[in-house]
Amino acid sequence: GENVEQHPSTLSVQEGDSAVIKCTYSDSASNYFPWYKQELGKRPQLIIDIRSNVGEKKDQRIAVTLNKTAKHFSLHITETQPEDSAVYFCAAEGGGGNKLTFGTGTQLKVEL
Amino acid sequence: GAGVSQTPSNKVTEKGKYVELRCDPISGHTALYWYRQSLGQGPEFLIYFQGTGAADDSGLPNDRFFAVRPEGSVSTLKIQRTERGDSAVYLCASSLTGPGDEQYFGPGTRLTVT
Repeated sequence: GENVEQHPSTLSVQEGDSAVIKCTYSDSASNYFPWYKQELGKRPQLIIDIRSNVGEKKDQRIAVTLNKTAKHFSLHITETQPEDSAVYFCAAEGGGGNKLTFGTGTQLKVEL
Repeated sequence: GAGVSQTPSNKVTEKGKYVELRCDPISGHTALYWYRQSLGQGPEFLIYFQGTGAADDSGLPNDRFFAVRPEGSVSTLKIQRTERGDSAVYLCASSLTGPGDEQYFGPGTRLTVT
């Protein structure tokens, strides 16, 4: 089955700096890669997603890149703000569809 | 409109008891998913419904876990003979048609088995 690895597990940045979170996946047939933000005690919320026919996608301060050959994808947050502090999860939906396999999460802390 | 809702928000039960967790998906969403999230981990897939049928139940850990969605909307996750290791947050998600669609998560049910 699909295996998703995520790094780093914790990330601390100064307000205004950029943050990058990286994930790798194992199933070359995976074709959908969402990123979720989860605040403490809250539900995961989708912040951006990318499909395998696209190499990069941007939405304001958030961007995601996908390298299908290397089987890795990354989340980039620019001009970080304190409200960006949360746990971020990457996920991959395998070639068989039907389910998301999540990474283990990155605790992002944006310091003033 | 209303998002995905789950009840109860918290459930404490004794080892060996039976529990039911309920999920109300977004109206019109045909796909419904159950996940389990342990502390410090990402959600772990349990089961996927397309309409009334379980299209993929490969994530259910053993036969103590069962889920139904009899009318293609509300779903119930049932756990028999609960064990302390079942303690986790059980998340439900729904999407409009299925694979490749955004999954909208509910707030979860925190299950504690004592």
